[in-house]
Amino acid sequence: SAVISQKPSRDICQRGTSLTIQCQVDSQVTMMFWYRQQPGQSLTLIATANQGSEATYESGFVIDKFPISRPNLTFSTLTVSNMSPEDSSIYLCSVGGITDTEAFFGQGTRLTVV
Amino acid sequence: QKEVEQNSGPLSVPEGAIASLNCTYSDRGSQSFFWYRQYSGKSPELIMSIYSNGDKEDGRFTAQLNKASQYVSLLIRDSQPSDSATYLCAVNEDNYQLIWGAGTKLIIKP
Repeated sequence: SAVISQKPSRDICQRGTSLTIQCQVDSQVTMMFWYRQQPGQSLTLIATANQGSEATYESGFVIDKFPISRPNLTFSTLTVSNMSPEDSSIYLCSVGGITDTEAFFGQGTRLTVV
Repeated sequence: QKEVEQNSGPLSVPEGAIASLNCTYSDRGSQSFFWYRQYSGKSPELIMSIYSNGDKEDGRFTAQLNKASQYVSLLIRDSQPSDSATYLCAVNEDNYQLIWGAGTKLIIKP
């Protein structure tokens, strides 16, 4: 597996502001993903973070709202822009392709927008 | 639309009994199957992976795969209160993306 460090672990933000979440992996990985998980719900994929190119977004998620960077094979950021209370959720960084197709997760960021 | 279906539960099992968790998937071409455990407030952790038909055992956990029936299950023997969590079934799509079930909440009663 890999050690995945995600920060911040939690934050309370004012509506209209932006928050950037960082994900650092202790080894180079092929795939990095960003998920959102609402309380009591399963995982919803936001986007695949592509190294050196624009992220690939899933239906319902757009770059202006969730800009993603991946400058190298060990690091990625997700920004939640112009936040509203509906953005309150847990955001998870995930990596894949380490040993096979399984996914490993960071500790998650619990975001509350007030 | 590729889907993974799980009963949301909660599934309540007495301590020491066998807990049986089930998952069905829609894409007959799927090749890799995973069970994750998620404690409340924590991120999912991988507990089992299975790739071929049959059973795979790891300690108290057994994963079962039946590709003909498009069915994956997880058995937990000698259930402990510490097994109380939500169990997520995931199936590989492509490019290392996983399709996730909604999860089954398991409660082990002392």
